[in-house]
This record gives sequence, structure tokens and C-alpha cells, in this order.
Amino acid sequence: AQKITQTQPGMFVQEKEAVTLDCTYDTSDPSYGLFWYKQPSSGEMIFLIYQGSYDQQNATEGRYSLNFQKARKSANLVISASQLGDSAMYFCAITAGGTSYGKLTFGQGTILTVHP
Amino acid sequence: SQTIHQWPATLVQPVGSPLSLECTVEGTSNPNLYWYRQAAGRGLQLLFYSVGIGQISSEVPQNLSASRPQDRQFILSSKKLLLSDSGFYLCAWEGGSMNTEAFFGQGTRLTVV
Repeated sequence: AQKITQTQPGMFVQEKEAVTLDCTYDTSDPSYGLFWYKQPSSGEMIFLIYQGSYDQQNATEGRYSLNFQKARKSANLVISASQLGDSAMYFCAITAGGTSYGKLTFGQGTILTVHP
Repeated sequence: SQTIHQWPATLVQPVGSPLSLECTVEGTSNPNLYWYRQAAGRGLQLLFYSVGIGQISSEVPQNLSASRPQDRQFILSSKKLLLSDSGFYLCAWEGGSMNTEAFFGQGTRLTVV
């Protein structure tokens, strides 16, 4: 079984500042994938970034980067230069290696509010 | 490009009534398809997934069922809705062997009254 824990129910950040959203995971699979999705108030889930368990470098996608610490089983999302449009719910998710990337176990989410 | 359509966007149904939510994908073939449910303020829970026509796997026992009558069509159904079936239902697809991320539909907000 896999588990994702997001301990921050809500986070606040000033526009143009950086923010880190925490995610820890638990899995018995030696190979796995970690994802972050953004859910704005409209409800759709928007893929942000992916990190494979065997990837040597931390994933980056534009203003998003993933701080992957395998020994600590953490996969924190860093958003640089926050924008008002970043206000949304953010979910961390995991899938087992060799499993389709749609079979995801999600955390409870973190609501991010960006202040002007 | 690939798109995913999900309808209706909102639905209010009485307890005991049937349910049918439809999801279709365009611009791809043989996708893996998924139904997720999100309770208010919570994360998503995988309900069903399908790797091909007529192939359905259930992740949790419940009052719902799923069917895949065509390659790019995925349907979530119930014969008799319960209050506990209320939630936000999301359909998703991904490319199977291509190991791409999952793409989600706009979701259906179901309220059972």
C-alpha cells in the first residue's frame, strides 16, 4: 500500500515570493513516481511536475521544482515567484513503478493563497 | 491534440434514483481510463480504471459500477444512489504504455438529496 501525507492544510505567500509545499510518502515499492497536481476553484486537476524514484536530479518545470529527498521520503513542491493565479489546492500523488501513471494515490491537499 | 469531455458538470439527484456519468476522450486511441471521487475538502480516491473495452477494475467496494462500451468512452453508473455517493467525480485518461501523466476532465459535482 502507498500513502501520501500533506501536513499543511493551508499556506499563505506574498506575491513574487517563493513557497514550499510539503509532501511525504510511504511505499514498499522500490520503483515509484511522484506527481504534483494543481486544482483551482473550477475543479479540474492540472498536472504540474513528475519525479521518478530513480531520477538522479530534481525535476523542474518552469516556476515549479520538486525537492526530492529519497532517504527522507519527501517530495516537496517549490513554487518560485508566486503569482495570484497560483492560488489553488495542490495535491501530491504517488504511483508504483511499472504501474500506469493514472493509478494514483493522492494526499489530502494544501490550499495555497497568494496575497498581492 | 487530445481532449477529455465529462458531463454533466453538476447534478442533483434524489436518494434511490439511478446515475449515469459519461466521459469521452478525443484525439487518442486505446487510452487507460479512470474514475476518481473527491469528497469535500479531501483528496481524490480512485474508484475504477479500465485498460480496454469491457475491462473494468474496481478499487473500492461501493454502490457504483463502471463500463467501457467503446474505446474512448467510460461511464460511471449506479442503480440506486445513496447520500454517501455525493461528491466531485473526475474522469481521467493516460496513454498506457507511453508512461505519460494523467489528464483529468472538468469533473461532475453530484449532490444526492
